[in-house]
Amino acid sequence: AQSVTQLGSHVSVSEGALVLLRCNYSSSVPPYLFWYVQYPNQGLQLLLKYTSAATLVKGINGFEAEFKKSETSFHLTKPSAHMSDAAEYFCAVSGGGSQGNLIFGKGTKLSVKP
Amino acid sequence: DAGVIQSPRHEVTEMGQEVTLRCKPISGHNSLFWYRQTMMRGLELLIYFNNNVPIDDSGMPEDRFSAKMPNASFSTLKIQPSEPRDSAVYFCASSSTHQAFFGQGTRLTVV
Repeated sequence: AQSVTQLGSHVSVSEGALVLLRCNYSSSVPPYLFWYVQYPNQGLQLLLKYTSAATLVKGINGFEAEFKKSETSFHLTKPSAHMSDAAEYFCAVSGGGSQGNLIFGKGTKLSVKP
Repeated sequence: DAGVIQSPRHEVTEMGQEVTLRCKPISGHNSLFWYRQTMMRGLELLIYFNNNVPIDDSGMPEDRFSAKMPNASFSTLKIQPSEPRDSAVYFCASSSTHQAFFGQGTRLTVV
C-alpha cells in the first residue's frame, strides 16, 4: 500500500528565502510522485510530477523536487520565496499505472513573510 | 477545455436531506475520482472510476454515500440522508495519464 508523510503542517519563510517542503513516501511498487498546490477556496493544481524519468523534476512557478529512492523522499524546493507562493502544498503518491488513484499527504501550509 | 466542472459550488442543506453533487470530467479522460477534504482528515479518496466502472470505493465512509458514473462525461456523488459530519469540500478530479486535474470543489454544509 502507498502512503505519504509530509513533515510539518505549517512552514513559514521570509520573502526571498529558500522554500523546503518535506515529503516521504512508502510504496510497494515504483511510485509516481506529485506535488500539488491549493490556493484558498480553489481546487488543487499540479506543480510537478515524477514518473520514473529524471530524478530532478522542475515544475511551474520555479519549484522543483528531487526523487531520492534511498531516502524514500521527494522534497519540494524553491530558491527564493515570493508572497504569491503562500498556499497549501500536497505531496501525493500513485501506485503506478496511468490511472492509479492518488494518495495525498496531510498538506503543508506555507506562509511567506514580507 | 473548461477543465473539470463541479456543481454546485456551495450547498447548504438540513440534516436528513438528500444531497447530490455533480461532476463533468475533462473530455477524453477515462478516470474520475471523488475526494473529500476536511480540516481534521485532510484529503481522502472516496471512490474512483475507470472507464465509467467503479474500481475502488473503499473510501466511501458509509452506505449513506453512493456514486455513479452513467457515462464518460458525468458523475454524481449522493449523500442520503446527510448529517452535519458530512460537511466538507468535495472535489472531483479526472485523469488520462499520470496527472489528475481537479475541479473547484463543492463546499457542503449540513446544518
